[in-house]
Amino acid sequence: NAGVTQTPKFRVLKTGQSMTLLCAQDMNHEYMYWYRQDPGMGLRLIHYSVGEGTTAKGEVPDGYNVSRLKKQNFLLGLESAAPSQTSVYFCASSYLEADDRSFMMNTEAFFGQGTRLTVV
Amino acid sequence: RKEVEQDPGPFNVPEGATVAFNCTYSNSASQSFFWYRQDCRKEPKLLMSVYSSGNEDGRFTAQLNRASQYISLLIRDSKLSDSATYLCAVSVRAGGFKTIFGAGTRLFVKA
Repeated sequence: NAGVTQTPKFRVLKTGQSMTLLCAQDMNHEYMYWYRQDPGMGLRLIHYSVGEGTTAKGEVPDGYNVSRLKKQNFLLGLESAAPSQTSVYFCASSYLEADDRSFMMNTEAFFGQGTRLTVV
Repeated sequence: RKEVEQDPGPFNVPEGATVAFNCTYSNSASQSFFWYRQDCRKEPKLLMSVYSSGNEDGRFTAQLNRASQYISLLIRDSKLSDSATYLCAVSVRAGGFKTIFGAGTRLFVKA
């Protein structure tokens, strides 16, 4: 059980290049997220998905696109990279479970190890 | 205004001190609450979930105040190994759920 795996771990891009970050989870989680982390900014939600075939915008979606064609994979695309997209990117997944009143609640997020992206 | 805000920090404390972190959230549709610990250049890891009744795990105590929309984390008898960044997170119902993090508070525990 590998948990959440991100590919690649490191990448350097030139301005204007495109790339796709892959996130794979083997825990059968419904929810998947992409965050970026910059110094002093904490984790900011880029896009998220509540299930296969669905995506939604987070706090900072501009310049990114995502796809969730398979439940276990969540792809983050940069169509035309900019230096402002230099960051550490984290993928995470979670699932729903019932609380003591049988309400469905979101669990904690399980994180991948991160991708360090530098755009020059 | 960010949906989740934390004390800006950093906190510098001696070993053995008690330190408290506070976090406020703005969305009343927030359902689940968490504290994470993040070490330098690593992914965040769950420290504890926060329940309405408050919960304790050894030296760590988390509390939730829904009326005032804040959560807190108390660390007693700080250890050098507690030095890290502490992130609060809130899961918000929004056509499903989304999980939003605060900016984190850096803690330095010194001998």
